[in-house]
Amino acid sequence: EVQLVESGGGLVQPGRSLKLSCAASGFTFSNYYMAWVRQAPKKGLEWVATISTSGSRTYYPDSVKGRFTISRDNAKSSLYLQMNSLKSEDTATYYCARTTYYFDYWGQGVMVTVSS
Amino acid sequence: DIQMTQSPASLSASLEEIVTITCQASQDIGNWLAWYQQKPGKSPQLLIYDATSLADGVPSRFSGSRSGTQYSLKISRLQVEDIGSYYCQQAHSNPWTFGGGTKLELK
Repeated sequence: EVQLVESGGGLVQPGRSLKLSCAASGFTFSNYYMAWVRQAPKKGLEWVATISTSGSRTYYPDSVKGRFTISRDNAKSSLYLQMNSLKSEDTATYYCARTTYYFDYWGQGVMVTVSS
Repeated sequence: DIQMTQSPASLSASLEEIVTITCQASQDIGNWLAWYQQKPGKSPQLLIYDATSLADGVPSRFSGSRSGTQYSLKISRLQVEDIGSYYCQQAHSNPWTFGGGTKLELK
């Protein structure tokens, strides 16, 4: 059974940093692209970042480019999202997802609140 | 960026009713479209991919179709467990974008 478990969320002040983690199991992690997708409170879904199988290629929308960094450790079957220079509009539930163009498995999500 | 315009934003329907949700892409995306279901308080789940293919374990009352740049999700006979929000997503080009969502409620 595919499982994705996020951690690392919490309350952080604007301008500060936070790192999210996602532990994967139930599939060969190194064979899949992985992604982060977020959902602001009572809002829709927004793709945040994608990383290739080896980690050599990363993709971001303009809204987070230069501030967020996605990475992975295939030996640990783990995905990460380093978030710097956080803004109030980054407040959201962040989901880790396995991706093959589409997002076929999702974690339960972790809440990030950016507020002073 | 490709814009995905989803309608309606909310929908109230009765059990056993046929429900249709649509998504309009701002440009040609071929069949690079997925539909997701998000039940209240839960993570999204993939329902349909490649515009018309049913994901594993998804009931056959769900179906997807395409007409040009307009895509539709149909629930043939609404069940209580289908209540929640639905989102389309284009996978044609970066940045991957979602529709604004449709909140489906019971009448």
